[in-house]
Amino acid sequence: DAGVIQSPRHEVTEMGQEVTLRCKPISGHDYLFWYRQTMMRGLELLIYFNNNVPIDDSGMPEDRFSAKMPNASFSTLKIQPSEPRDSAVYFCASTPSLTYWANVLTFGAGSRLTVL
Amino acid sequence: EDQVTQSPEALRLQEGESSSLNCSYTVSGLRGLFWYRQDPGKGPEFLFTLYSAGEEKEKERLKATLTKKESFLHITAPKPEDSATYLCAVQAGSSNTGKLIFGQGTTLQVKP
Repeated sequence: DAGVIQSPRHEVTEMGQEVTLRCKPISGHDYLFWYRQTMMRGLELLIYFNNNVPIDDSGMPEDRFSAKMPNASFSTLKIQPSEPRDSAVYFCASTPSLTYWANVLTFGAGSRLTVL
Repeated sequence: EDQVTQSPEALRLQEGESSSLNCSYTVSGLRGLFWYRQDPGKGPEFLFTLYSAGEEKEKERLKATLTKKESFLHITAPKPEDSATYLCAVQAGSSNTGKLIFGQGTTLQVKP
């Protein structure tokens, strides 16, 4: 398996522009997560899906952020409009189960976003 | 509020110099404690899961232990390739939840 695949790896945009980050989870993994990593706040969970359905979006910072999972092999995280404080590395991760002995997240390589 | 604190923030070791990284946690109902390794420019990579106080897990030069309040990642005779950021995370709550709470990490540098 190729692992969790994210694109783009790097994105530089100007304040106010729309940003779309993409993720392909590992086949057969029913859970997909979006995390954000910054120096100040570390890794924070934004949202996660189970079988394409959003389960917990309490970490989504504000209405400018939205996430979708139209099918089992694809998810997007969209920021509109983007702001400089959104600059961070965004990680997608997946796992086959939340049962405690199987809850091992496999992370993608991340998408580094810079908003000027 | 659930909280995870890692110390030290950074650690420099000479090759072969053993040491330990600390992860202290305050959570309601620990379901699992996880250790991940993160190399620059990459996503975190899973190392260990610990579920109950007294549990220990080993992998090569790494050994993770768990008490009711903290976890240690012991590194024995480290090599330069062990240089990375080590992240601790907890899964807590009364039911299955996907949310992991991560610490800020300890950045380890091992010099030859």
